[in-house]
Amino acid sequence: QQQVKQSPQSLIVQKGGISIINCAYENTAFDYFPWYQQFPGKGPALLIAIRPDVSEKKEGRFTISFNKSAKQFSLHIMDSQPGDSATYFCAASIAGTASKLTFGTGTRLQVTL
Amino acid sequence: GAGVSQTPSNKVTEKGKYVELRCDPISGHTALYWYRQSLGQGPEFLIYFQGTGAADDSGLPNDRFFAVRPEGSVSTLKIQRTERGDSAVYLCASSLRAGVGETQYFGPGTRLLVL
Repeated sequence: QQQVKQSPQSLIVQKGGISIINCAYENTAFDYFPWYQQFPGKGPALLIAIRPDVSEKKEGRFTISFNKSAKQFSLHIMDSQPGDSATYFCAASIAGTASKLTFGTGTRLQVTL
Repeated sequence: GAGVSQTPSNKVTEKGKYVELRCDPISGHTALYWYRQSLGQGPEFLIYFQGTGAADDSGLPNDRFFAVRPEGSVSTLKIQRTERGDSAVYLCASSLRAGVGETQYFGPGTRLLVL
């Protein structure tokens, strides 16, 4: 059973554009929602994370929007750059479970010149 | 500083063989996690250690998989009687401590191919 659904599977954005990746979850016990960035041949690296007590968190060009009632959250990458081309994973974890992460299936982002 | 390291980076084995995958966490990190990433998928949790003990092994797919962390630092994931379906990237992550909000730092993974 997939507990975190991610879309789209792939995304092509022009340089300078906005990349938007969406995730939806089913388990209302989730209370920590990180986004990870993964380059080919590398392990995932934490990009930005949010707790459900806020609706938005921004760090530089990266913003998470969180909708608790809809059980959805999204990653927005402003002014997308070719160096942002990577695979992005949303994830979620539950308090009391030592932060074991449940990942989405990933979005391959390509930023073109 | 040094990040999480994993050895070997690639491992090719034959069906039925035994393999060991090693993870060196960031120094001082007490929590260590193993995940498995199949092609085109997100990582899937396998097992988590707090110190030397396996605090949660609910993600291990069957009893062919076993992991240890005898001194609370380096961990070894062991797979017996490997099957072709075990082919995947095995990722290790560590965090300063366990708990929601603690950042998990991932290693580059070991790419296991079972022929």
